[in-house]
Amino acid sequence: DAGITQSPRYKITETGRQVTLMCHQTWSHSYMFWYRQDLGHGLRLIYYSAAADITDKGEVPDGYVVSRSKTENFPLTLESATRSQTSVYFCASSDRAHEQYFGPGTRLTVT
Amino acid sequence: RKEVEQDPGPFNVPEGATVAFNCTYSNSASQSFFWYRQDCRKEPKLLMSVYSSGNEDGRFTAQLNRASQYISLLIRDSKLSDSATYLCVVFMNSGGYQKVTFGTGTKLQVIP
Repeated sequence: DAGITQSPRYKITETGRQVTLMCHQTWSHSYMFWYRQDLGHGLRLIYYSAAADITDKGEVPDGYVVSRSKTENFPLTLESATRSQTSVYFCASSDRAHEQYFGPGTRLTVT
Repeated sequence: RKEVEQDPGPFNVPEGATVAFNCTYSNSASQSFFWYRQDCRKEPKLLMSVYSSGNEDGRFTAQLNRASQYISLLIRDSKLSDSATYLCVVFMNSGGYQKVTFGTGTKLQVIP
């Protein structure tokens, strides 16, 4: 089915481990985004990409790495997971930066 | 001051009631405004854009007041299915940098 998917949907990992969250969209949207959502903070932008091979930092990029070698994929890597990175992560895509379509989210717990 | 502020609620309203939410933003250079809806433990979904002239989509009306730097969402004839959290979103493009700021949301509970 067309749309935007995220995997895994749930992940438990230990402090210090590297974790990669995957995001795939089938609309060929130019823009893709990664957000985290925490109680009291709402959605906060981690990184975004305006096109393949173009990425830029958002509000809270520290501890995260992204890449975008193909238009349809935008993986997010936590290089060395910390407990403060326990959160719900949403990927989104858009053909215009502001009308975004979100994936179902990944619930990440760092123990 | 937060860049985008919303009353977290919850707003508990009976079916059929009219309810309104406001959202204030601090940066006068903000360019575009949106309302998203988020159901519990689900992803946000675009509800409607907010235009300077105001816009309506069925039971939903959105308005923008640039002078006072707030946007509003009015829901008429509330349905049980309207129960959700409503997120205000402000967009700005500054020197090629895309800045999208989400409010923390206003929770609506429609009661039978």
